[in-house]
Amino acid sequence: AQSVAQPEDQVNVAEGNPLTVKCTYSVSGNPYLFWYVQYPNRGLQFLLKYITGDNLVKGSYGFEAEFNKSQTSFHLKKPSALVSDSALYFCAVRGDTGGFKTIFGAGTRLFVKA
Amino acid sequence: EPEVTQTPSHQVTQMGQEVILRCVPISNHLYFYWYRQILGQKVEFLVSFYNNEISEKSEIFDDQFSVERPDGSNFTLKIRSTKLEDSAMYFCASSPTTLSNEKLFFGSGTQLSVL
Repeated sequence: AQSVAQPEDQVNVAEGNPLTVKCTYSVSGNPYLFWYVQYPNRGLQFLLKYITGDNLVKGSYGFEAEFNKSQTSFHLKKPSALVSDSALYFCAVRGDTGGFKTIFGAGTRLFVKA
Repeated sequence: EPEVTQTPSHQVTQMGQEVILRCVPISNHLYFYWYRQILGQKVEFLVSFYNNEISEKSEIFDDQFSVERPDGSNFTLKIRSTKLEDSAMYFCASSPTTLSNEKLFFGSGTQLSVL
């Protein structure tokens, strides 16, 4: 069975500082990993996805994610945080051994302070 | 960018009543999903739907829940007899393929409140 863990409920960072939102996963077969962002009263929006062979994936709004196979992690990063990045971030995983579902982590709330 | 639309945005119902949540997926998408989110927390998979049948469902999706695509455009989630614990934000999502690296497109959700 596939699962995703986001160990931090909340991450606080000052504007202009780098940010990291952590994610670890467990999946049968090859992992297909995603990050989504949710702003208040909105649906989830796709940020980026892991592409096989690229350990550093670039996505929307200056976000990137680092894939580490040995640590089964897919941490979300941004070199310089903006106040407007404050939102709820979800890591998600899908395996390649059949089934159509994408499983989401519990979410990490990011607060960027001016 | 094309959007998934959901109606209504808010639904209030009495316990034991039936509710139908409606979604219009993106027009060329073939795979449809319902997820729910309780109190702005974890997003839980309910069901996936392809070729007019359920592909996969979670333990949450019991006999009280059903889905259908009645007219080729709408995709509905019906809860037959609502319970208090069904109160949640329900999201519809769609994707053009079921490739494992395919992203999901989400609607803005229907906030269901069961009183």
